[in-house]
Amino acid sequence: DTGVSQDPRHKITKRGQNVTFRCDPISEHNRLYWYRQTLGQGPEFLTYFQNEAQLEKSRLLSDRFSAERPKGSFSTLEIQRTEQGDSAMYLCASSRATGLGGFSPLHFGNGTRLTVT
Amino acid sequence: QQPVQSPQAVILREGEDAVINCSSSKALYSVHWYRQKHGEAPVFLMILLKGGEQKGHEKISASFNEKKQQSSLYLTASQLSYSGTYFCGTLLAGAGSYQLTFGKGTKLSVIP
Repeated sequence: DTGVSQDPRHKITKRGQNVTFRCDPISEHNRLYWYRQTLGQGPEFLTYFQNEAQLEKSRLLSDRFSAERPKGSFSTLEIQRTEQGDSAMYLCASSRATGLGGFSPLHFGNGTRLTVT
Repeated sequence: QQPVQSPQAVILREGEDAVINCSSSKALYSVHWYRQKHGEAPVFLMILLKGGEQKGHEKISASFNEKKQQSSLYLTASQLSYSGTYFCGTLLAGAGSYQLTFGKGTKLSVIP
């Protein structure tokens, strides 16, 4: 268990630019989640994959955000035309597909901190 | 629907006890507790699935009152290592969703 890996750790970009983040989940985990966290707040759900299928997406998520998990392994989160309000920590988490009530604990990565100037 | 946590912050001396509450306006399927230390990722503590169920993790335990749609996290004989922000996450009943929604957190500071 090498943990969930996210890259980069920090990203500074200018407003209007596109950014892409990568997440490598724990290898045997087939569920992958993206969350966003701002200072003093809890993680906010963005989207969720089971294997390569994107099964849920937050209704609050702008269409500037897109996520993929092409082979059911690593995932990418892209933000187009970034805005200052996109500044946040972007957390990736993975879990098994089975567990208590069909839900297993989430294992979070250390996140990518995005700053939009 | 974001669950509501209380209190927002609490300061304890080592050895004291604390209770953190989490409530929802919607019927819940399960409640999940995580702890996040400053600058680190959230770490799983426990899942509570059935109403009234209590689960334990060292000196940290929790209960889930399904009828009241509330969960409480109990920290007994607190240690310095318990400091951090505690989040409850909820899955709604009947939604068929794996969208775990977190509260705003309760910041716990344990001082010597």
